Amino acid sequence: RKEVEQDPGPFNVPEGATVAFNCTYSNSASQSFFWYRQDCRKEPKLLMSVYSSGNEDGRFTAQLNRASQYISLLIRDSKLSDSATYLCVGKLTGTYKYIFGTGTRLKVLA
Amino acid sequence: NAGVMQNPRHLVRRRGQEARLRCSPMKGHSHVYWYRQLPEEGLKFMVYLQKENIIDESGMPKERFSAEFPKEGPSILRIQQVVRGDSAAYFCASSPLIQGDGTEAFFGQGTRLTVV
Repeated sequence: RKEVEQDPGPFNVPEGATVAFNCTYSNSASQSFFWYRQDCRKEPKLLMSVYSSGNEDGRFTAQLNRASQYISLLIRDSKLSDSATYLCVGKLTGTYKYIFGTGTRLKVLA
Repeated sequence: NAGVMQNPRHLVRRRGQEARLRCSPMKGHSHVYWYRQLPEEGLKFMVYLQKENIIDESGMPKERFSAEFPKEGPSILRIQQVVRGDSAAYFCASSPLIQGDGTEAFFGQGTRLTVV
């Protein structure tokens, strides 16, 4: 079983739609989580950190459920510019290793 | 404050040659990570280094691959006797001295290695 698993998609949604991605992790020692965004053939860029209490940044909301070991990302009012691959990342407690999921591809359609 | 700098951006090598990939972390960052991304796949951890120390190389292939982060100068990922399967994007990331587990890593633009 992969340490961090994501549905690869693609998710094709119309502009203005709300879309949610889930990510599950297998190592309960994973302490910190992040969502990164990667555009085609570019480097990953941090979208947001994920906190147990949930956190929001504009149209983006991240949630962490430690009991069920999953992380979610909700995007409201999707824009064409949101089209990208979204990477779920876990960081193991007491280490400096960031574990990446394979990413979920999102395509927002006009 | 310049970001993570990688060079070259693109590298073409013939089978059997050596590839050297360089990474200069962000100013003030003392931790460097190397990741490999094969076409249509996710990022795979290779190695984590601090200055003059390899901390975790659990993702490095046992042969032909090596990494260093000297006291002075950039981190180097070296691939000897390259094969076609080494063709990939190699990303370097850096982070500051860890204050807490919530510290994120910042990525360079990557080096795209093509072995012909």
